Amino acid sequence: DQQVKQNSPSLSVQEGRISILNCDYTNSMFDYFLWYKKYPAEGPTFLISISSIKDKNEDGRFTVFLNKSAKHLSLHIVPSQPGDSAVYFCAASARAAGNKLTFGGGTRVLVKP
Amino acid sequence: DGGITQSPKYLFRKEGQNVTLSCEQNLNHDAMYWYRQDPGQGLRLIYYSQIVNDFQKGDIAEGYSVSREKKESFPLTVTSAQKNPTAFYLCASSNPYSGLAGRTDTQYFGPGTRLTVL
Repeated sequence: DQQVKQNSPSLSVQEGRISILNCDYTNSMFDYFLWYKKYPAEGPTFLISISSIKDKNEDGRFTVFLNKSAKHLSLHIVPSQPGDSAVYFCAASARAAGNKLTFGGGTRVLVKP
Repeated sequence: DGGITQSPKYLFRKEGQNVTLSCEQNLNHDAMYWYRQDPGQGLRLIYYSQIVNDFQKGDIAEGYSVSREKKESFPLTVTSAQKNPTAFYLCASSNPYSGLAGRTDTQYFGPGTRLTVL
């Protein structure tokens, strides 16, 4: 039972355009959500997070949107840069479940120059 | 320079041998975690520890063991009982916080150890 799903395994976008990554979850107990970026053979790097009391959080080129009623979050990267090419994971945690992170399967982003 | 270190980067072992992966953090984080990543998949939680001398099983704990004798160290042993030990192993740490601004629980990851069992 996958509680966090990233339905798009890959995304290709032109440099300078917007990248939109989507993530759906099923567990209504999740109250904290994160996005990580990962290069091959390296550990994930934290990008941005959002608490369930908010619906938007912005940090530079990265914005995360949370729609609790739809159990959906998205990451917008604008403008996209070639260095953004990586695998992006969304993750969710529930305070009631000991703050463990549950990860989606990842979306591979390719930014074309 | 604060961070999480994992050693070694690459590890090779013969089938049937136990192997211990190291994870050290100097971020003064209370919680530490071990994940496993297989090709083309997300991260799956093996074990986690929220405080020294205490740890809990994650989703795929069978064939693994851990200890948390010091706050900064959380070694993972891959035993011969683990049926498919070849994978990329990631350690993480965090300091969960809850307050008026909401909750934060960002986990910070080490560089990973790639274990190959021959």
